[in-house]
Amino acid sequence: AQSVTQLGSHVSVSEGALVLLRCNYSSSVPPYLFWYVQYPNQGLQLLLKYTTGATLVKGINGFEAEFKKSETSFHLTKPSAHMSDAAEYFCAVKSGNTGKLIFGQGTTLQVKP
Amino acid sequence: DSGVTQTPKHLITATGQRVTLRCSPRSGDLSVYWYQQSLDQGLQFLIQYYNGEERAKGNILERFSAQQFPDLHSELNLSSLELGDSALYFCASSPAPGGVEETQYFGPGTRLLVL
Repeated sequence: AQSVTQLGSHVSVSEGALVLLRCNYSSSVPPYLFWYVQYPNQGLQLLLKYTTGATLVKGINGFEAEFKKSETSFHLTKPSAHMSDAAEYFCAVKSGNTGKLIFGQGTTLQVKP
Repeated sequence: DSGVTQTPKHLITATGQRVTLRCSPRSGDLSVYWYQQSLDQGLQFLIQYYNGEERAKGNILERFSAQQFPDLHSELNLSSLELGDSALYFCASSPAPGGVEETQYFGPGTRLLVL
């Protein structure tokens, strides 16, 4: 069975600091991995996804993530946090060919001035 | 704006009642997915429809049912509501049956409060 674990339910950084949100997955087949962001009172927006090919994936708003098979990880990073990055972030793995997404528990990112 | 619309935005009802949540997918998308987001369970997949047919089922209670209509909009019916059904219900859509490389586009959600 596939699963996703997000380490740290809350992460707090200062504006301009590095953002690192951790995601580890478990999958018996090659995983297809996604990061979504949820701003307050809004739906989920895709930040980036890894399917095949290059293991460093660039997404919107300056975010990127690196797929590391040996570490079963797909951590999300951004070099310099902005106040507008404050939101909840979800890592997800796609299950089989049905499109079902299995989500982690989410990480709330707080950005302090 | 993802192009996925959900109505209503908020719904307050009482235990034992029945409600219907509606979702219109993005133009051209044939798949619709329903997810439930609650504080204790997180984001959980409920069910997927592709072009009117049920494609995949997740942790959907027997009291819940869904369907996708010929115009591709979908409805999620929740009956005999319990306090624990209070949650944010998301609809997502994608162009095809749900291939691994497909992106799902999420609607803004319907917030259900059962009193």
